[in-house]
Amino acid sequence: NAGVTQTPKFRILKIGQSMTLQCTQDMNHNYMYWYRQDPGMGLKLIYYSVGAGITDKGEVPNGYNVSRSTTEDFPLRLELAAPSQTSVYFCASSWKAGGPDTQYFGPGTRLTVL
Amino acid sequence: AQSVTQLGSHVSVSEGALVLLRCNYSSSVPPYLFWYVQYPNQGLQLLLKYTTGATLVKGINGFEAEFKKSETSFHLTKPSAHMSDAAEYFCAVSAPTGNQFYFGTGTSLTVIP
Repeated sequence: NAGVTQTPKFRILKIGQSMTLQCTQDMNHNYMYWYRQDPGMGLKLIYYSVGAGITDKGEVPNGYNVSRSTTEDFPLRLELAAPSQTSVYFCASSWKAGGPDTQYFGPGTRLTVL
Repeated sequence: AQSVTQLGSHVSVSEGALVLLRCNYSSSVPPYLFWYVQYPNQGLQLLLKYTTGATLVKGINGFEAEFKKSETSFHLTKPSAHMSDAAEYFCAVSAPTGNQFYFGTGTSLTVIP
């Protein structure tokens, strides 16, 4: 199994551009998450989904949108990119939220907005 | 609400020395606790987790952690550091019925030969 895959690995955007970060998992997990990681700040939750068609905001949702049309895919959309969105983005999935279940992380997307 | 505090953003130990990474949490309900490791340019991997039962939890690569409710702590230890342990370590907490995990700010471990 591939686990959690993310594309692209790296991307440079200009201010005001838009892009979609792709995330796919093949473990049939119900829950999926998007985090951003900034130096010294740990991981901050952007959005999460508890199943196809259901999404909810995390700690830092402003400037982002998500959708979950299938169990496998959970794309993150950046509209009007800003330098403050320069970060490393991680997608994760788990069988269920909280509880004892482990989150499985993708390798990350490193985004720079100039 | 849950939160995690990791004391010490950088820890250096000599190869063969004890590793101690500190994690304190706050939670309004009995939490589930996790330690993850992140190697350079990779995603996070689970080291160990505490759910219920035995408070001393053993994980991969010789790491273990002890849940101390009275101290609201979940410190990570390894008796003898190896060069391959150099990485970033994150403590995380979740509520058993919640939808979110909350991560600490991470501790970067350097192992000196």
